[in-house]
This record gives sequence, C-alpha cells and structure tokens, in this order.
Amino acid sequence: RKEVEQDPGPFNVPEGATVAFNCTYSNSASQSFFWYRQDCRKEPKLLMSVYSSGNEDGRFTAQLNRASQYISLLIRDSKLSDSATYLCVSPSGGSNYKLTFGKGTLLTVNP
Amino acid sequence: NAGVMQNPRHLVRRRGQEARLRCSPMKGHSHVYWYRQLPEEGLKFMVYLQKENIIDESGMPKERFSAEFPKEGPSILRIQQVVRGDSAAYFCASAAPQPTDTQYFGPGTRLTVL
Repeated sequence: RKEVEQDPGPFNVPEGATVAFNCTYSNSASQSFFWYRQDCRKEPKLLMSVYSSGNEDGRFTAQLNRASQYISLLIRDSKLSDSATYLCVSPSGGSNYKLTFGKGTLLTVNP
Repeated sequence: NAGVMQNPRHLVRRRGQEARLRCSPMKGHSHVYWYRQLPEEGLKFMVYLQKENIIDESGMPKERFSAEFPKEGPSILRIQQVVRGDSAAYFCASAAPQPTDTQYFGPGTRLTVL
C-alpha cells in the first residue's frame, strides 16, 4: 500500500457544484495531514492543515478518520479558480518534516 | 516579505554537464528542504538542511547529487554529470525555526537534460 494514495481523477464539474476528494494513508502513526493545491507548472501551495478530526475554511472542509486512515477534502460552490491539482500530504518515515505527497487529483471547474 | 526564491527557473543542460540549482529561503526561515517532481509523479523528498548542516539526505540519490546550505548565501542543489532521467521540476521549501512549521514552496527550477 502506498504511503499516501488519492483518487486518480480527473474531476470535471460545473461552477457551483460540490466536489469531494478522498485520500488514504498507510502510516497509522501520522499526526498531521495537509491539502496543497498545485496549479499547472507552479509550486504547491498550502490549502489546509488537518490535525484533529477536521478543519473548515470557508468553502473548504477537510475531514480525518483515523480509524479508517482516510482524509477527505470537500469543496462547496466550486469556482473557476478552484481548477487545479489537489495534493494530499503527510509527513512520513517517523519524521515531522519529510512530506510525502500523493500524486494529486486534477479538478477542472467548467463555466 | 519575499517568499522562497529559486533560480534559475528553467535550466537546460546536455548529458554529462553539471546543474546547480539555488534556493533562498523566506526571511527568518532556517530550514530548507528540496523535493523533486518527475513528470506525472508526485513530489518526492530529497534532503533537509539547516545552516551548514545536512540533517536528512535519505531521499537523495547516492551518486551525482549533493546539497549544501552555507552560512552565507543560498542553498545549492548540485547535480553532476546529468542524465536524461534527471529532467524534472526541483522545488525548494523553507520553514521557520520549529521544523513542525508549515513548509512554503518556491516556484521551482525546471531542469531539462538534452
């Protein structure tokens, strides 16, 4: 099982739609998780940190289920500007700095 | 407050040449991390440095790759005798003194080996 595994996507949704991405992780000792977004040929940018059961920031909600080793990201009322690749990230190898990235899920929001 | 800076943004090298990638962390950040993103792949950790120290290089290939973060100046990722498989985007990230702090990424250097 890969350390961090994401929905392969791609997701194509209309503006205003609600879309959810899933991510599973293999290291049960992981304490923190992150969602980054990466625009085409750009650097990853932190979207949300998840340390406990979940986190909400405006239209974005991240949830963590430690029993199932599962993290999700929900985007409500999608905007065209939400089009990007969403990366599920967790520190690995017993460290708190060595980030392991999923391959990412591509989201395209259509007008 | 300038973000993480990397240069060059694009680098083209022929097989066998050397590539030097530079990274200047955000002001006040003393931790630097290098990641590599191969085409169609996720980012992979390479090395973690603090000033004048390599803390963790477990993700670095054993040969041809080296990294430093001198007391003065940027962090350097050096790739000797490049091969086509080294073509990738190389991202640098920095974090504040506590290593649990968020890592902020630079714009990356896209290396193309001909």
